[in-house]
Amino acid sequence: DVKVTQSSRYLVKRTGEKVFLECVQDMDHENMFWYRQDPGLGLRLIYFSYDVKMKEKGDIPEGYSVSREKKERFSLILESASTNQTSMYLCASRGGGVGELFFGEGSRLTVL
Amino acid sequence: QQQVKQSPQSLIVQKGGISIINCAYENTAFDYFPWYQQFPGKGPALLIAIRPDVSEKKEGRFTISFNKSAKQFSLHIMDSQPGDSATYFCAAASRENNNDMRFGAGTRLTVKP
Repeated sequence: DVKVTQSSRYLVKRTGEKVFLECVQDMDHENMFWYRQDPGLGLRLIYFSYDVKMKEKGDIPEGYSVSREKKERFSLILESASTNQTSMYLCASRGGGVGELFFGEGSRLTVL
Repeated sequence: QQQVKQSPQSLIVQKGGISIINCAYENTAFDYFPWYQQFPGKGPALLIAIRPDVSEKKEGRFTISFNKSAKQFSLHIMDSQPGDSATYFCAAASRENNNDMRFGAGTRLTVKP
């Protein structure tokens, strides 16, 4: 069964802390994505990656960075967390071409 | 600015009724239109998808209707069941934009027994 695993389901951090959200997929997919989900706003694309060491900004990249050192792993980094980054973060992967996105179960981050 | 506009934000339907969720888009380069279903505590999962070369696609109780000229598409859930209660997202992607998916704001569907 295909799987996208997000390492932390729930995190509570303080303002100014550095936050790492890890995502691993076992489908050998080239493409990986980080979305943010907020009520009434749907899923907004933060960053995506088409290949190892490659990254592209999505619609809301400010305050975030990403790392993709291995094909199966895509990390989202908040260099200095702020309260407005309290949200649900969803990682997804996709094979080549247009097609189905496979999502992880999400990481709910609370920044105090 | 949302590239895909979805309505309604929430919907309550009686068991056995028809649930209808609508989406509209502006970017004519979009050429893939999926619907995702999300249950509480889970990530979204693909429900059904359509490409603009057809006007309708049906899978069981779920149907997508697509109107290319109006740049609109909708999800119809026939004989709605309490187990259909979830949040539904429409989305759109284009080969021109590297197939990056853009999502609507979501509709929370509640089917009452």
